[in-house]
Amino acid sequence: ETGVTQSPTHLIKTRGQQVTLRCSSQSGHNTVSWYQQALGQGPQFIFQYYREEENGRGNFPPRFSGLQFPNYSSELNVNALELDDSALYLCASSTTGATNEKLFFGSGTQLSVL
Amino acid sequence: GENVEQHPSTLSVQEGDSAVIKCTYSDSASNYFPWYKQELGKRPQLIIDIRSNVGEKKDQRIAVTLNKTAKHFSLHITETQPEDSAVYFCAVKRPGGYNKLIFGAGTRLAVHP
Repeated sequence: ETGVTQSPTHLIKTRGQQVTLRCSSQSGHNTVSWYQQALGQGPQFIFQYYREEENGRGNFPPRFSGLQFPNYSSELNVNALELDDSALYLCASSTTGATNEKLFFGSGTQLSVL
Repeated sequence: GENVEQHPSTLSVQEGDSAVIKCTYSDSASNYFPWYKQELGKRPQLIIDIRSNVGEKKDQRIAVTLNKTAKHFSLHITETQPEDSAVYFCAVKRPGGYNKLIFGAGTRLAVHP
């Protein structure tokens, strides 16, 4: 059984650029959610994807968007990057069964916006 | 709105002592309460969780207690070891179709040999 994998591990961008982060869910998991973790803070929910559709969203602007693919992998896209977007972006996968609240996180992508 | 407060922000104990971290939440509809451990540079890992129909759950040296009336829950670690040193996050979730966890700000636990 493979765990949640994310790429790239680190990324440096400049303000105004666009970025795409990628996530492969854990084997057998069909739901993917994305979280932003600022330095010294707890993760904040961005959105969740199930059956290739966004089915829940936190307090993030529309320039944060995503995709889920038929193999349940997912992308997080951020347009018009701002300095405050610098953070660790975590992907988490889960199932839709009885234990669907249990989230399994990837190691994250550390994004720095200069 | 939804809010989770976690205390203390830092905790330093001697090896073998117990450690307790407490979280309070504002949304009485919350029904799922996980705890995650995040070592430096690593992913958050689920260490224990509890649902609102249970008051206490234990897994070896780790236990979680829930007081729904007071809207707080706590993580208890007994016989601490240096490898318990990490940042611990509590989280809460409302019933619903998607897994939006609201996290606390974290507690940095240091266990000194």
